[in-house]
Amino acid sequence: ETGVTQSPTHLIKTRGQQVTLRCSSQSGHNTVSWYQQALGQGPQFIFQYYREEENGRGNFPPRFSGLQFPNYSSELNVNALELDDSALYLCASSPGGSAETQYFGPGTRLLVL
Amino acid sequence: RKEVEQDPGPFNVPEGATVAFNCTYSNSASQSFFWYRQDCRKEPKLLMSVYSSGNEDGRFTAQLNRASQYISLLIRDSKLSDSATYLCVVSNTGNQFYFGTGTSLTVIP
Repeated sequence: ETGVTQSPTHLIKTRGQQVTLRCSSQSGHNTVSWYQQALGQGPQFIFQYYREEENGRGNFPPRFSGLQFPNYSSELNVNALELDDSALYLCASSPGGSAETQYFGPGTRLLVL
Repeated sequence: RKEVEQDPGPFNVPEGATVAFNCTYSNSASQSFFWYRQDCRKEPKLLMSVYSSGNEDGRFTAQLNRASQYISLLIRDSKLSDSATYLCVVSNTGNQFYFGTGTSLTVIP
């Protein structure tokens, strides 16, 4: 176990709805990255938060937004859900943004109907 | 053009075989390189980092060729437990990480 937890594990929403996914980072880690993994694809980088600030963003529209709290846990918010948003959403925590020690949580499976 | 390209496979090999996976990346400014392993319906886990000098961890050997923008992973003496998807990962700045689509490996008894 990595010590990174995510909630919920599964979620079903309908088009146009909004969703919030949560991630608790491993103790001592101040950096959280979020990824979207569609079926049969590799994870796609959404954004990274470091000490409560966005610290890099991938090619995702503004309806994907995030937040990091003082305890370094994080939220991913997606507005106006589309069918193509159906995917596994992974968060990964690391100490100080180091890629070598990026630990993934088990993910949240989102289905948009 | 994708940042990272991998042959998706699948690779089906007998136990004890040697298998090699390749990966190419498009950005010559890329700085860090990794192989991750992902089991079915699980999260990715770091297998090993990839250094210019090449590195080995037991039965696994990773190589980086910066001139050709090419990364490889060699698995010797394949075990049933090696069956998984292997993801090539490239980082440009340390805060943006690009994953390939993954290469599926099944080791057959």
